[in-house]
Amino acid sequence: KNEVEQSPQNLTAQEGEFITINCSYSVGISALHWLQQHPGGGIVSLFMLSSGKKKHGRLIATINIQEKHSSLHITASHPRDSAVYICAVRSYNTDKLIFGTGTRLQVFP
Amino acid sequence: ETGVTQSPTHLIKTRGQQVTLRCSSQSGHNTVSWYQQALGQGPQFIFQYYREEENGRGNFPPRFSGLQFPNYSSELNVNALELDDSALYLCASSLGSYGGYTFGSGTRLTVV
Repeated sequence: KNEVEQSPQNLTAQEGEFITINCSYSVGISALHWLQQHPGGGIVSLFMLSSGKKKHGRLIATINIQEKHSSLHITASHPRDSAVYICAVRSYNTDKLIFGTGTRLQVFP
Repeated sequence: ETGVTQSPTHLIKTRGQQVTLRCSSQSGHNTVSWYQQALGQGPQFIFQYYREEENGRGNFPPRFSGLQFPNYSSELNVNALELDDSALYLCASSLGSYGGYTFGSGTRLTVV
């Protein structure tokens, strides 16, 4: 079992829909990151969370430390949101990042 | 502030050859970490450098080695390339281990 699990693996949506991507982890963490990766490969850091909730534009990230679970929400989705969204946790013991396998999101007009 | 730059962007090498990938860190960052991302997978941690010293390593063989320079830029070297080394190699810089990460666009290595 992977230390960081994401669901769903693939997600298709119509423009305007509300999107939720989930991340569960099994290790102790000092922070959780949500990342966006476009087809060219480059990764953009969206959020770094250690508790609670953060919002940036149409993106909202939440984390529940007790349940070892985080969600990334996209409101009013748009085709330009199409990308792979990756959850990564920084292990409390090793300080290294452990990545999920990503959620591939496609938003159609 | 400048971001993280990786070079080259694409590279094709023959099995058994050696390769060097380069990464410049974001201004003000002193830590660089390297990751290997196989097709369809999440990135896997290779190693991390902090102030020119390796201070963390993932499950990669010794033929994967690195350097960090006084300006905090970094190199990843892979010797005796194998077909399975074909992947996207990402580097990220941060201020210590506890800050946010800035990722580069990656180097796509193909071993034939």
